[in-house]
Amino acid sequence: GAVVSQHPSRVICKSGTSVKIECRSLDFQATTMFWYRQFPKQSLMLMATSNEGSKATYEQGVEKDKFLINHASLTLSTLTVTSAHPEDSSFYICSATVSHLAGGPYNIQYFGAGTRLSVL
Amino acid sequence: AQSVAQPEDQVNVAEGNPLTVKCTYSVSGNPYLFWYVQYPNRGLQFLLKYITGDNLVKGSYGFEAEFNKSQTSFHLKKPSALVSDSALYFCAVRGRQAGTALIFGKGTTLSVSS
Repeated sequence: GAVVSQHPSRVICKSGTSVKIECRSLDFQATTMFWYRQFPKQSLMLMATSNEGSKATYEQGVEKDKFLINHASLTLSTLTVTSAHPEDSSFYICSATVSHLAGGPYNIQYFGAGTRLSVL
Repeated sequence: AQSVAQPEDQVNVAEGNPLTVKCTYSVSGNPYLFWYVQYPNRGLQFLLKYITGDNLVKGSYGFEAEFNKSQTSFHLKKPSALVSDSALYFCAVRGRQAGTALIFGKGTTLSVSS
């Protein structure tokens, strides 16, 4: 199956620093990648949708200047949490889509293993 | 607005017994439906999907789900539960347009006792 690699798996940083999380599709080209945030014992909340070569589309309530998303290639998207604060501590998960059939509309989303961000 | 409801926070079953994890949805049109499983501190693993056709879909690890359009439900089932099935299960929907993101339910913790 399609593999999505997310790095780092865990990061601890000081308040005010920036953290970059990478999401790579290893064996397929992902035209669309998604970034989710998950709080303990809660569901995944979509943060933004990222299409290769264009600006990301952010969900309502997500600060685009704080959560910078870059999708420079068909296999790599990055999420940078700028000037991180303790309230940004969370589990961040990326996802990428692949079309199983040419022209098929029903892309399956494959997920990275997630990044646990802890801001001190 | 699209939404997914998983009415049970937790489901407890004994090993060997059948299990059901419930999911209902509220979406305009005919959505695509999915089940994912998440193990602690891990990403989500795809289990199965409903796109069209037969209402009973079979997926990974012996799981299956039944699509019921009239009840707008997509319950996850397995005839005989294993202890290793214990995990967090998410139901999700998405629209038919390519590039649309999944919308998730809140998740149901499945606990299978030996």
